[in-house]
Amino acid sequence: DAKTTQPNSMESNEEEPVHLPCNHSTISGTDYIHWYRQLPSQGPEYVIHGLTSNVNNRMASLAIAEDRKSSTLILHRATLRDAAVYYCILTGIKAAGNKLTFGGGTRVLVKP
Amino acid sequence: NAGVTQTPKFQVLKTGQSMTLQCAQDMNHEYMSWYRQDPGMGLRLIHYSVGAGITDQGEVPNGYNVSRSTTEDFPLRLLSAAPSQTSVYFCASSSGPHEQFFGPGTRLTVL
Repeated sequence: DAKTTQPNSMESNEEEPVHLPCNHSTISGTDYIHWYRQLPSQGPEYVIHGLTSNVNNRMASLAIAEDRKSSTLILHRATLRDAAVYYCILTGIKAAGNKLTFGGGTRVLVKP
Repeated sequence: NAGVTQTPKFQVLKTGQSMTLQCAQDMNHEYMSWYRQDPGMGLRLIHYSVGAGITDQGEVPNGYNVSRSTTEDFPLRLLSAAPSQTSVYFCASSSGPHEQFFGPGTRLTVL
Protein backbone atom coordinates (compact mmCIF):
# COMPACT_ATOMS: atom_id res chain seq x y z
CA ASP A 1 0.00 0.00 0.00
CA ALA A 2 1.19 3.52 -0.80
CA LYS A 3 2.20 5.49 2.28
CA THR A 4 0.79 8.84 3.45
CA THR A 5 2.52 11.49 5.55
CA GLN A 6 0.57 13.88 7.78
CA PRO A 7 1.59 16.39 10.46
CA ASN A 8 1.15 15.02 13.96
CA SER A 9 -1.03 17.89 15.15
CA MET A 10 -2.62 21.20 14.18
CA GLU A 11 -4.44 23.92 16.08
CA SER A 12 -7.23 26.14 14.88
CA ASN A 13 -9.57 28.73 16.28
CA GLU A 14 -13.29 28.10 16.30
CA GLU A 15 -15.13 29.31 13.18
CA GLU A 16 -11.89 29.59 11.20
CA PRO A 17 -10.94 27.29 8.29
CA VAL A 18 -8.63 24.35 8.85
CA HIS A 19 -6.36 23.03 6.09
CA LEU A 20 -5.03 19.53 6.74
CA PRO A 21 -2.23 18.45 4.39
CA CYS A 22 -1.41 14.91 3.30
CA ASN A 23 1.56 13.83 1.21
CA HIS A 24 1.31 10.64 -0.84
CA SER A 25 4.14 10.80 -3.34
CA THR A 26 3.98 7.06 -4.20
CA ILE A 27 0.26 7.06 -5.02
CA SER A 28 -0.72 4.85 -7.93
CA GLY A 29 -3.10 5.80 -10.70
CA THR A 30 -5.96 3.74 -9.28
CA ASP A 31 -5.60 4.77 -5.63
CA TYR A 32 -8.45 6.76 -4.10
CA ILE A 33 -7.72 9.31 -1.38
CA HIS A 34 -9.96 8.82 1.64
CA TRP A 35 -10.29 10.87 4.79
CA TYR A 36 -11.70 9.57 8.04
CA ARG A 37 -11.82 11.23 11.42
CA GLN A 38 -12.02 9.80 14.92
CA LEU A 39 -13.60 11.83 17.68
CA PRO A 40 -12.49 11.04 21.24
CA SER A 41 -13.66 7.63 22.44
CA GLN A 42 -15.54 6.91 19.20
CA GLY A 43 -15.04 4.81 16.11
CA PRO A 44 -13.70 6.39 12.92
CA GLU A 45 -16.14 8.33 10.75
CA TYR A 46 -15.96 8.70 6.98
CA VAL A 47 -15.38 12.29 5.86
CA ILE A 48 -14.74 12.40 2.13
CA HIS A 49 -12.91 10.70 -0.75
CA GLY A 50 -11.64 11.60 -4.19
CA LEU A 51 -9.60 10.34 -7.12
CA THR A 52 -8.45 13.27 -9.27
CA SER A 53 -10.90 16.15 -9.03
CA ASN A 54 -11.62 18.32 -6.02
CA VAL A 55 -14.64 17.17 -4.02
CA ASN A 56 -17.10 18.90 -1.72
CA ASN A 57 -19.65 17.49 0.69
CA ARG A 58 -21.52 18.70 3.72
CA MET A 59 -18.61 17.95 6.03
CA ALA A 60 -15.56 19.17 4.14
CA SER A 61 -13.78 19.79 0.87
CA LEU A 62 -10.93 17.78 -0.60
CA ALA A 63 -8.38 19.53 -2.79
CA ILE A 64 -6.14 17.18 -4.81
CA ALA A 65 -2.91 18.37 -6.39
CA GLU A 66 -2.68 18.08 -10.14
CA ASP A 67 0.10 15.45 -9.87
CA ARG A 68 -1.92 13.68 -7.11
CA LYS A 69 1.14 13.51 -4.87
CA SER A 70 -0.55 15.54 -2.19
CA SER A 71 -4.02 16.55 -1.04
CA THR A 72 -5.60 18.88 1.50
CA LEU A 73 -8.72 18.36 3.58
CA ILE A 74 -10.47 21.66 4.23
CA LEU A 75 -12.85 22.21 7.10
CA HIS A 76 -14.46 25.52 6.19
CA ARG A 77 -15.51 26.70 9.65
CA ALA A 78 -14.09 24.66 12.49
CA THR A 79 -16.34 23.94 15.45
CA LEU A 80 -15.41 22.43 18.80
CA ARG A 81 -16.99 19.20 17.56
CA ASP A 82 -14.37 19.00 14.80
CA ALA A 83 -11.63 18.30 17.36
CA ALA A 84 -10.51 14.81 16.35
CA VAL A 85 -7.75 12.77 14.76
CA TYR A 86 -7.96 12.98 10.98
CA TYR A 87 -6.62 10.12 8.88
CA CYS A 88 -5.61 10.36 5.22
CA ILE A 89 -5.77 6.87 3.67
CA LEU A 90 -5.09 5.59 0.16
CA THR A 91 -7.16 2.67 -1.08
CA GLY A 92 -6.99 0.85 -4.38
CA ILE A 93 -10.35 0.38 -6.04
CA LYS A 94 -9.94 -3.38 -5.79
CA ALA A 95 -8.43 -3.45 -2.28
CA ALA A 96 -9.29 -6.82 -0.75
CA GLY A 97 -12.21 -6.46 1.63
CA ASN A 98 -12.04 -2.66 1.29
CA LYS A 99 -9.11 -2.74 3.67
CA LEU A 100 -8.12 0.58 5.25
CA THR A 101 -4.53 1.11 6.40
CA PHE A 102 -4.46 3.74 9.13
CA GLY A 103 -1.34 5.77 9.90
CA GLY A 104 -0.91 8.09 12.86
CA GLY A 105 -3.19 10.83 11.53
CA THR A 106 -3.30 14.52 12.46
CA ARG A 107 -4.73 15.51 15.81
CA VAL A 108 -6.75 18.71 15.39
CA LEU A 109 -7.29 20.96 18.38
CA VAL A 110 -10.00 23.63 18.05
CA LYS A 111 -9.73 26.56 20.43
CA PRO A 112 -12.83 28.52 21.43
CA ASN B 1 -31.26 2.06 11.17
CA ALA B 2 -29.07 1.24 14.15
CA GLY B 3 -25.99 1.10 11.88
CA VAL B 4 -23.13 -0.98 13.29
CA THR B 5 -23.59 -2.23 16.83
CA GLN B 6 -20.99 -3.89 19.05
CA THR B 7 -21.32 -5.72 22.33
CA PRO B 8 -20.07 -5.62 24.98
CA LYS B 9 -18.82 -2.04 25.38
CA PHE B 10 -16.28 -3.06 28.02
CA GLN B 11 -14.79 -6.43 28.99
CA VAL B 12 -12.11 -7.59 31.41
CA LEU B 13 -10.63 -11.06 30.90
CA LYS B 14 -8.00 -13.12 32.62
CA THR B 15 -5.13 -14.55 30.62
CA GLY B 16 -6.21 -17.76 28.91
CA GLN B 17 -9.92 -17.06 28.92
CA SER B 18 -11.87 -17.06 25.67
CA MET B 19 -14.68 -14.80 24.57
CA THR B 20 -16.60 -13.56 21.56
CA LEU B 21 -17.00 -9.92 20.58
CA GLN B 22 -20.27 -9.38 18.77
CA CYS B 23 -20.79 -7.14 15.74
CA ALA B 24 -24.02 -6.62 13.82
CA GLN B 25 -25.12 -4.27 11.04
CA ASP B 26 -28.59 -3.62 9.65
CA MET B 27 -27.58 -1.96 6.38
CA ASN B 28 -27.30 -5.17 4.32
CA HIS B 29 -23.61 -4.49 3.71
CA GLU B 30 -21.50 -7.18 2.07
CA TYR B 31 -18.18 -6.11 3.55
CA MET B 32 -17.39 -6.34 7.26
CA SER B 33 -14.10 -5.96 9.10
CA TRP B 34 -12.54 -6.09 12.51
CA TYR B 35 -9.81 -3.65 13.58
CA ARG B 36 -7.92 -3.17 16.80
CA GLN B 37 -6.55 0.12 18.09
CA ASP B 38 -3.78 0.23 20.67
CA PRO B 39 -3.26 3.41 22.72
CA GLY B 40 -2.03 6.34 20.61
CA MET B 41 -1.99 4.28 17.42
CA GLY B 42 -4.01 3.99 14.26
CA LEU B 43 -6.31 1.04 13.61
CA ARG B 44 -4.96 -2.29 12.35
CA LEU B 45 -7.01 -4.82 10.41
CA ILE B 46 -7.53 -8.22 12.08
CA HIS B 47 -9.93 -10.09 9.79
CA TYR B 48 -12.42 -9.15 7.11
CA SER B 49 -15.31 -10.66 5.17
CA VAL B 50 -16.57 -9.93 1.68
CA GLY B 51 -19.85 -11.75 2.17
CA ALA B 52 -21.59 -14.50 4.11
CA GLY B 53 -19.37 -17.56 4.29
CA ILE B 54 -16.24 -15.73 3.10
CA THR B 55 -13.56 -14.47 5.46
CA ASP B 56 -9.86 -13.68 5.19
CA GLN B 57 -6.98 -12.53 7.35
CA GLY B 58 -5.86 -8.97 7.75
CA GLU B 59 -2.65 -7.53 9.12
CA VAL B 60 -2.77 -8.95 12.68
CA PRO B 61 -4.91 -12.14 12.68
CA ASN B 62 -3.01 -14.29 15.19
CA GLY B 63 -5.05 -15.23 18.24
CA TYR B 64 -8.40 -14.38 16.64
CA ASN B 65 -11.02 -16.35 14.72
CA VAL B 66 -14.00 -15.13 12.73
CA SER B 67 -16.96 -16.59 10.90
CA ARG B 68 -19.72 -15.04 8.81
CA SER B 69 -22.83 -17.20 8.72
CA THR B 70 -25.21 -14.31 7.99
CA THR B 71 -24.90 -10.96 6.22
CA GLU B 72 -25.76 -9.12 9.44
CA ASP B 73 -23.35 -10.65 11.96
CA PHE B 74 -19.58 -10.92 12.13
CA PRO B 75 -18.38 -12.16 15.54
CA LEU B 76 -14.72 -12.06 16.59
CA ARG B 77 -13.48 -14.86 18.85
CA LEU B 78 -10.48 -14.64 21.12
CA LEU B 79 -9.30 -18.20 21.60
CA SER B 80 -7.00 -17.77 24.61
CA ALA B 81 -6.71 -14.16 25.72
CA ALA B 82 -3.26 -12.65 26.28
CA PRO B 83 -2.29 -9.25 27.77
CA SER B 84 -1.05 -8.22 24.31
CA GLN B 85 -4.67 -8.33 23.15
CA THR B 86 -5.62 -5.49 25.46
CA SER B 87 -6.98 -2.96 23.01
CA VAL B 88 -10.07 -1.26 21.65
CA TYR B 89 -11.79 -3.32 18.97
CA PHE B 90 -13.80 -1.76 16.18
CA CYS B 91 -16.09 -3.44 13.71
CA ALA B 92 -16.85 -1.83 10.35
CA SER B 93 -19.15 -2.49 7.42
CA SER B 94 -19.57 -1.14 3.91
CA SER B 95 -21.39 -1.80 0.66
CA GLY B 96 -18.51 -0.68 -1.52
CA PRO B 97 -14.94 0.58 -1.46
CA HIS B 98 -15.50 4.11 -0.24
CA GLU B 99 -17.59 4.75 2.84
CA GLN B 100 -17.10 2.42 5.77
CA PHE B 101 -19.29 2.63 8.85
CA PHE B 102 -17.65 1.90 12.19
CA GLY B 103 -19.20 0.69 15.41
CA PRO B 104 -18.63 2.36 18.79
CA GLY B 105 -15.95 -0.13 19.83
CA THR B 106 -15.33 -2.70 22.56
CA ARG B 107 -12.70 -1.83 25.14
CA LEU B 108 -10.96 -5.07 26.20
CA THR B 109 -8.53 -5.49 29.06
CA VAL B 110 -6.68 -8.76 29.58
CA LEU B 111 -5.08 -9.20 32.98
